[in-house]
Amino acid sequence: EAQVTQNPRYLITVTGKKLTVTCSQNMNHEYMSWYRQDPGLGLRQIYYSMNVEVTDKGDVPEGYKVSRKEKRNFPLILESPSPNQTSLYFCASSSTIQGYEQFFGPGTRLTVL
Amino acid sequence: GQSLEQPSEVTAVEGAIVQINCTYQTSGFYGLSWYQQHDGGAPTFLSYNALDGLEETGRFSSFLSRSDSYGYLLLQELQMKDSASYFCAVRDLAAAGNKLTFGGGTRVLVKP
Repeated sequence: EAQVTQNPRYLITVTGKKLTVTCSQNMNHEYMSWYRQDPGLGLRQIYYSMNVEVTDKGDVPEGYKVSRKEKRNFPLILESPSPNQTSLYFCASSSTIQGYEQFFGPGTRLTVL
Repeated sequence: GQSLEQPSEVTAVEGAIVQINCTYQTSGFYGLSWYQQHDGGAPTFLSYNALDGLEETGRFSSFLSRSDSYGYLLLQELQMKDSASYFCAVRDLAAAGNKLTFGGGTRVLVKP
């Protein structure tokens, strides 16, 4: 089954404790992206990757890091989480040609205390 | 930059028709997508318009007018399961790769 998986689905942590949210897709998509979703603000892009070893900032990259060492994986790293990073996070992937159709993971609800 | 405007909420009864408008401002427009998101779920792709006109997919249709920087999603024969949030998203030629910029979403509530 074609899918995007994320782990963990739910996470409660404390300020400053480094964490990683994993994302993996099995559709051989070149493009992967991370979004955060906050009420009334829609989905805002954090980082994206156009292929292995090619990443760039989205609209709200402060406080986040990413890496793309393999085509299928695109982890999101919060080196020192803060309460304003409490949000719902989605990973998404798409082919380069059909970029208008992005496939989203199930989401990770993060709470930073 | 890009900005998209859509109503925050719409309420309708089963069997009715709902139109969700989306106006956008972008530096290099390529196309307009629509996504559906149920509470607690992930966004899922509904439709895409790159050219002017109406695209129909079952009970849902999407329209685009490039000259007016405007599009809409039409939900017909509303069913309870259509209660969800709907997002328009612009694919921007000026942006790298497949960047989509999303609107704030329209919450559709379907009543019996």
